[in-house]
Amino acid sequence: GQNIDQPTEMTATEGAIVQINCTYQTSGFNGLFWYQQHAGEAPTFLSYNVLDGLEEKGRFSSFLSRSKGYSYLLLKELQMKDSASYLCAVRDSNYQLIWGAGTKLIIKP
Amino acid sequence: NAGVTQTPKFQVLKTGQSMTLQCAQDMNHEYMSWYRQDPGMGLRLIHYSVGAGITDQGEVPNGYNVSRSTTEDFPLRLLSAAPSQTSVYFCASSPRPYRVNTGELFFGEGSRLTVL
Repeated sequence: GQNIDQPTEMTATEGAIVQINCTYQTSGFNGLFWYQQHAGEAPTFLSYNVLDGLEEKGRFSSFLSRSKGYSYLLLKELQMKDSASYLCAVRDSNYQLIWGAGTKLIIKP
Repeated sequence: NAGVTQTPKFQVLKTGQSMTLQCAQDMNHEYMSWYRQDPGMGLRLIHYSVGAGITDQGEVPNGYNVSRSTTEDFPLRLLSAAPSQTSVYFCASSPRPYRVNTGELFFGEGSRLTVL
């Protein structure tokens, strides 16, 4: 079966750095997405990786290793507004998205 | 820019009732989809469409119908509501992912449905 694993919850301190991991086992691979979802709101797109390596976008970076079935989202200089759930999703060989259950990130002052 | 618009935002139904969740997008996206989101679970695909007149089932289609008569609209119909359909529903669209773009999804604000 297809599976996406990510930690259920993480806690970090304002101003610090946090890494959210995502491991996947899917039928084929056509890209990996990270989305941010604030409580009670819709998911919004953060990043996309299809090749191995690091993609940097401001305070957020996303890394992919296809051989290991592994990705992480790195958030730097954490702000209180970064408190949200972070969803990892993989597009499989049929171009359908397989979603992880999400990681709830709690930022403390 | 309206983006993806879903209505209603909240709805309470009794078991056995039917209803339609509306979804409209103004970005001329070919691909539209419906997801449900339940606590502790990833988003699950209900139905999707790659263009007007074309629909297909996702992971959890039972109890739901869809149609795509225009590029803009993709309504989701609950035929006979059951308590197991209590969930938050999201409509999402994207440029067709098979072409040279990331195929990122643009989500509506969500519809919170409670079935008693």
